[in-house]
Amino acid sequence: DTGVSQNPRHKITKRGQNVTFRCDPISEHNRLYWYRQTLGQGPEFLTYFQNEAQLEKSRLLSDRFSAERPKGSFSTLEIQRTEQGDSAMYLCASSPSGEKLFFGSGTQLSVL
Amino acid sequence: AQTVTQSQPEMSVQEAETVTLSCTYDTSESDYYLFWYKQPPSRQMILVIRQEAYKQQNATENRFSVNFQKAAKSFSLKISDSQLGDAAMYFCAVTGGTSYGKLTFGQGTILTVHP
Repeated sequence: DTGVSQNPRHKITKRGQNVTFRCDPISEHNRLYWYRQTLGQGPEFLTYFQNEAQLEKSRLLSDRFSAERPKGSFSTLEIQRTEQGDSAMYLCASSPSGEKLFFGSGTQLSVL
Repeated sequence: AQTVTQSQPEMSVQEAETVTLSCTYDTSESDYYLFWYKQPPSRQMILVIRQEAYKQQNATENRFSVNFQKAAKSFSLKISDSQLGDAAMYFCAVTGGTSYGKLTFGQGTILTVHP
């Protein structure tokens, strides 16, 4: 069990650029979740996958955001045409059944 | 919809003493789970303790225990024999119903431990 891995740890980008983050869940965890956390706030749910199926998306996830989980393994979260309001920590978590989540260390995004 | 309220933005405790962090929640689900997560400066979310709502017995994990009052929708965390490494932001969270794993978090409580 190597834990949930997220890359990169930090990403600095200019407004309008596209960025992509990757999450590798704990092996054999069929559920994978993305959360967003701004400074001083609790994480907010964005979306989750059961295997390769994306089962729920938050209203926070605008059309500029897309997430995939090909073959039910790793997942990617892409943000197109980034805005300064997208600056946040993006957290990934995995779980065997949703009753206990294991989080990665997150990707800190700064949009200049 | 689920909501979680942590009314203490900051708390402090002396090393080796006991501190209690408060949390109230609201959910329409009959079957749900409650959690406390710890987030140190590294920002890694670490699960501290979990409580199944159907269990009357309060969960305990070493120095960490909860006081779960289901009728009052209250879920407080007690940290005994506080250590310097306990200093962190603590989040209370709830999940339940058809979307297990879709956690709703509170605003967090910053815990400072004084030597």
